[in-house]
Amino acid sequence: EDKVVQSPLSLVVHEGDTVTLNCSYEVTNFRSLLWYKQEKKAPTFLFMLTSSGIEKKSGRLSSILDKKELFSILNITATQTGDSAIYLCAVVGLRDDKIIFGKGTRLHILP
Amino acid sequence: DAGITQSPRHKVTETGTPVTLRCHQTENHRYMYWYRQDPGHGLRLIHYSYGVKDTDKGEVSDGYSVSRSKTEDFLLTLESATSSQTSVYFCAISESVRNQPQHFGDGTRLSIL
Repeated sequence: EDKVVQSPLSLVVHEGDTVTLNCSYEVTNFRSLLWYKQEKKAPTFLFMLTSSGIEKKSGRLSSILDKKELFSILNITATQTGDSAIYLCAVVGLRDDKIIFGKGTRLHILP
Repeated sequence: DAGITQSPRHKVTETGTPVTLRCHQTENHRYMYWYRQDPGHGLRLIHYSYGVKDTDKGEVSDGYSVSRSKTEDFLLTLESATSSQTSVYFCAISESVRNQPQHFGDGTRLSIL
């Protein structure tokens, strides 16, 4: 059965710290992996990863995929209180047109 | 932001009543999805559509039906609501799930008493 596992489920750090969020997956015929940030309402898209070893970067956020070991990490450097959110990882397989989401990591940044 | 509107945004109803949630998009995207989000479960797919009148089940489809008579509208119906269907429901759209990310609506908070 296809699945996506995120860790940790919850994380509390101080402003300025660097955090690493993990996402491991098992999916038939992997196509892509996506990261989303969810604050109070809708998840918003951060990154789409399809190739191993190529880092995607946006400001203080970056992500990389390892297709051999079947995982991805999302790094946030110099965290700010506005980074507090649930971070969702999702995987798309080739077999059908569905996306499988992990349960998310709840990140809280203390001022 | 992607043009996705969910209605209603909040609804409280009683067990056994029918409920219909609406998702409307202005992006002309082919794919539309309904998810529910519950603590400890993350986002779970209920049903999705890959074109007008073309729909398929997700992992938690029991108790739900959908319809898509126009590209822009995707309706989710709870024929006889139960308390276990109390949740936050999200609609999402994408041009092509294999090449493009999904974009989400702001959600509908549904309480079944």
